[in-house]
Amino acid sequence: DAKTTQPTSMDCAEGRAANLPCNHSTISGNEYVYWYRQIHSQGPQYIIHGLKNNETNEMASLIITEDRKSSTLILPHATLRDTAVYYCIRRSAGKSTFGDGTTLTVKP
Amino acid sequence: GAVVSQHPSWVICKSGTSVKIECRSLDFQATTMFWYRQFPKQSLMLMATSNEGSKATYEQGVEKDKFLINHASLTLSTLTVTSAHPEDSSFYICSAPPTPNSPLHFGNGTRLTVT
Repeated sequence: DAKTTQPTSMDCAEGRAANLPCNHSTISGNEYVYWYRQIHSQGPQYIIHGLKNNETNEMASLIITEDRKSSTLILPHATLRDTAVYYCIRRSAGKSTFGDGTTLTVKP
Repeated sequence: GAVVSQHPSWVICKSGTSVKIECRSLDFQATTMFWYRQFPKQSLMLMATSNEGSKATYEQGVEKDKFLINHASLTLSTLTVTSAHPEDSSFYICSAPPTPNSPLHFGNGTRLTVT
């Protein structure tokens, strides 16, 4: 099964770090971990991806465990506009299969 | 860069008619595009992989004669929902990677309502 496992929902206080976990225990050696988010009635937006090293960009940080069986997306200072469904996806050079994602609600 | 545009953003049609949805890569060439469908409060479900110059590859359970895909150029893929029924009402989203290993870029989706 190419899906990943994520908690259904999470809350985060505005200005605090949001840590979103993802389990991908059956990931293959050539599969990357990608994170996207989707705000209601829009197409998904790319956030970050990685293979085995931790990654950081202007939006977020991605921490991948050494065995690559899980990862955590970190939004360092969550804002109300970060409220969305966050998807963790396994992908090689082919198609991507979306799991159910985590609904993150950032509260004032 | 790497913009994917979908048209129309929403469409309402009568049962039995056909609807065409366009997906364009505006600033890159896409040999492969992916079509997804999303029902309310559900995740995206991959329907098919559109390949430029060849037949699309459909996921299990997706009727290829009902969801016609044409990828005639490196910047355009179309999805035609033929003989639409109310149960085809959904949010259809396309995506494409600028290169095979780059992130997918998604269109903003097309909301189809069949009455």
